[in-house]
Amino acid sequence: AQKVTQAQTEISVVEKEDVTLDCVYETRDTTYYLFWYKQPPSGELVFLIRRNSFDEQNEISGRYSWNFQKSTSSFNFTITASQVVDSAVYFCALSGGSQGNLIFGKGTKLSVKP
Amino acid sequence: DAGVIQSPRHEVTEMGQEVTLRCKPISGHDYLFWYRQTMMRGLELLIYFNNNVPIDDSGMPEDRFSAKMPNASFSTLKIQPSEPRDSAVYFCASSQTSGYNEQFFGPGTRLTVL
Repeated sequence: AQKVTQAQTEISVVEKEDVTLDCVYETRDTTYYLFWYKQPPSGELVFLIRRNSFDEQNEISGRYSWNFQKSTSSFNFTITASQVVDSAVYFCALSGGSQGNLIFGKGTKLSVKP
Repeated sequence: DAGVIQSPRHEVTEMGQEVTLRCKPISGHDYLFWYRQTMMRGLELLIYFNNNVPIDDSGMPEDRFSAKMPNASFSTLKIQPSEPRDSAVYFCASSQTSGYNEQFFGPGTRLTVL
C-alpha cells in the first residue's frame, strides 16, 4: 500500500527563519513520483514540484529547495528566509504503480509571523 | 489558459437535495480527477477519468455519489440525496497525457449540506 506521512501538523516561525517540512513515503513501486503542493488561505492547490524515483538530485528554486533521499524514503522541503506570504498548508503527495492518482499526506500548516 | 474551472464555487443546500458540481479541465489534458477535502480525512481521491472513461471509482463513498464525463471538456459530480456529512471542499484536477504528470487543480467547490 502507498502512504505519505507528514508528521508535522503545524509549524510556526518568525519571518526570515529557515524552515523544513518533512515528508516520508511508503511504496513498493520501483517507479514513482513525488510532489509538493501549496494551499494558501485562499484555498486553491498550487503545484510546486514533481520528482521521479530515479532522480535523487536535490533541487533549488529561489528560496525553495527539496531533498529527496530514497534510502530514508523522504522528500523534505526547505524554505529559506521565510516570508509571511509563505504561510499556507503544504502537502506532500505520491503517485505510482498502475495508477496516476495522487496519495496525499495530511499536510503541514506553516505560519510565518512578521 | 484559463486553468481548471469549477462551478459553483459555493453551494449551500438542505439534506436530501440533489447537488451537481461541474468541472471544465484544461484543454488537452487527458486525465480528470475529483478529490474531496475534509478536516477529518484530508484530501482523498473520489474518481478519475482517462480520455473520458472512468478508471477508478473506488473512492466514491457510496451509491449516492456519481460522476460523468460526457466529453473531454466537461465533467460532473452528483450527490443524490445529499447528507450533512457530505459537507466538504470538492476539487477537480486535470493532468496531461499521463497521470504521473503534475495535476492542476481548480479552485474547488465548498459544499455545505444543512
